[in-house]
Amino acid sequence: ETGVTQSPTHLIKTRGQQVTLRCSSQSGHNTVSWYQQALGQGPQFIFQYYREEENGRGNFPPRFSGLQFPNYSSELNVNALELDDSALYLCASSLEGTPGTTEAFFGQGTRLTVV
Amino acid sequence: QKEVEQDPGPLSVPEGAIVSLNCTYSNSAFQYFMWYRQYSRKGPELLMYTYSSGNKEDGRFTAQVDKSSKYISLFIRDSQPSDSATYLCAMANQAGTALIFGKGTTLSVSS
Repeated sequence: ETGVTQSPTHLIKTRGQQVTLRCSSQSGHNTVSWYQQALGQGPQFIFQYYREEENGRGNFPPRFSGLQFPNYSSELNVNALELDDSALYLCASSLEGTPGTTEAFFGQGTRLTVV
Repeated sequence: QKEVEQDPGPLSVPEGAIVSLNCTYSNSAFQYFMWYRQYSRKGPELLMYTYSSGNKEDGRFTAQVDKSSKYISLFIRDSQPSDSATYLCAMANQAGTALIFGKGTTLSVSS
């Protein structure tokens, strides 16, 4: 198992609500990336945080936002939830800011259901 | 055309078979190639990580990258029921922050 932990593992929210998902990166890793994985699809890049700064963003609206803390843990916040936000949210940690150049390790994910 | 194409399967094989999984891509800037295994309701687990072209072997797994054809493969020898999972290919370029994934291929190995 990787040292990347995510919480909670599951949650159910109502359309229009806000949600916060959390991720603790692997020891020694300073970069955290968030991905959304819809059922039957590959993960889609949301954004990346490197040393507490956003370091890249995918094609997601501003209601998806994040934070990285000095201990390199991270949060993903989603406002005004929509039904299509139902997915598995994955956090990946890596050693440096460009995860393609070093190995990226994923947590077990948070399964979000919006009703 | 998507940047990364992967046949979703499903692929069913008997125990002991050799499995070949493949992805094609369109972005010639990709230099880093990965294969992840994902069990149902779990996060992806890194299996193989390769840079540029060539082969890499790890136990029963062999990854191949052919940049001239924009084609990558994962071979699994002596497949086991425990190999039943979804296999995701992923790629990145030198400057990119994102991994670009295929849709995943679902593999079932029967005993």
